[in-house]
Amino acid sequence: AQKITQTQPGMFVQEKEAVTLDCTYDTSDPSYGLFWYKQPSSGEMIFLIYQGSYDQQNATEGRYSLNFQKARKSANLVISASQLGDSAMYFCAMREMNNAGNMLTFGGGTRLMVKP
Amino acid sequence: DGGITQSPKYLFRKEGQNVTLSCEQNLNHDAMYWYRQDPGQGLRLIYYSQIVNDFQKGDIAEGYSVSREKKESFPLTVTSAQKNPTAFYLCASSLDLTGTDTQYFGPGTRLTVL
Repeated sequence: AQKITQTQPGMFVQEKEAVTLDCTYDTSDPSYGLFWYKQPSSGEMIFLIYQGSYDQQNATEGRYSLNFQKARKSANLVISASQLGDSAMYFCAMREMNNAGNMLTFGGGTRLMVKP
Repeated sequence: DGGITQSPKYLFRKEGQNVTLSCEQNLNHDAMYWYRQDPGQGLRLIYYSQIVNDFQKGDIAEGYSVSREKKESFPLTVTSAQKNPTAFYLCASSLDLTGTDTQYFGPGTRLTVL
C-alpha cells in the first residue's frame, strides 16, 4: 500500500488566490512527521513546512499552512495569495519515528501552475 | 554560505561505465542521504549515512555504492550493474538521524546514459 498519496497530478490556480494541495498518508506508527517540499524546474527540493503527529496546532510558515487532520490521516498544504513563483512540483513526505533512520517516504507529487 | 553542493549538474555516461557523483555539505550535519528521482515521480532513497565510515542501504541500493570518509562528503558511485541509471540524483543532509530533523537538499545531478 502507498504510504503517501497525492491524488492531484496537476492543479491550476489564479494568481493571488489560495490553493490546497492534498496529501493522505498511511502509518501505524503513533509518532511521525509530515513534510512538504517544493521542487521548481531547476530541480532543487526546497523545504516548506513540517507537522509532527503530536503537534496540537496546525503548522504555518508565512503563506504556507498545513491543514492536519489526524483522524483522516491527511496533511494538506494550503498556499495563500498564490504568486507566479509558486509554480512548481510539490511533494508531501513522511518520516515514521520507528524507522531505523531519518528516512523520508515521498508521494508522487502535484504540479501547481499559477495563472497570471 | 552554508549549504549542499552537488557536481556535476549534468553527467553523461556510456553504458558499462562507472560514474561518481559528488555531494559536499558545510552545514556540519551528521547525516547524509542519496535519493533518485525518475521523471514525474517522487524520490526514492538509495543510501544514507549517519556518521563517518558508516552507511546503510535504502530502498533501491542495488547497482550503487557510497563512501563516507569525511563528515562533509558523501559521494555516490553508479556502477555498471545499475540496469537503468538515467535519472535525477539528489543528495540531502540533516543534523542527525533522530528527532524531527529536516532534510535539506542539494541542487541535484542529472545523469544520462548514452
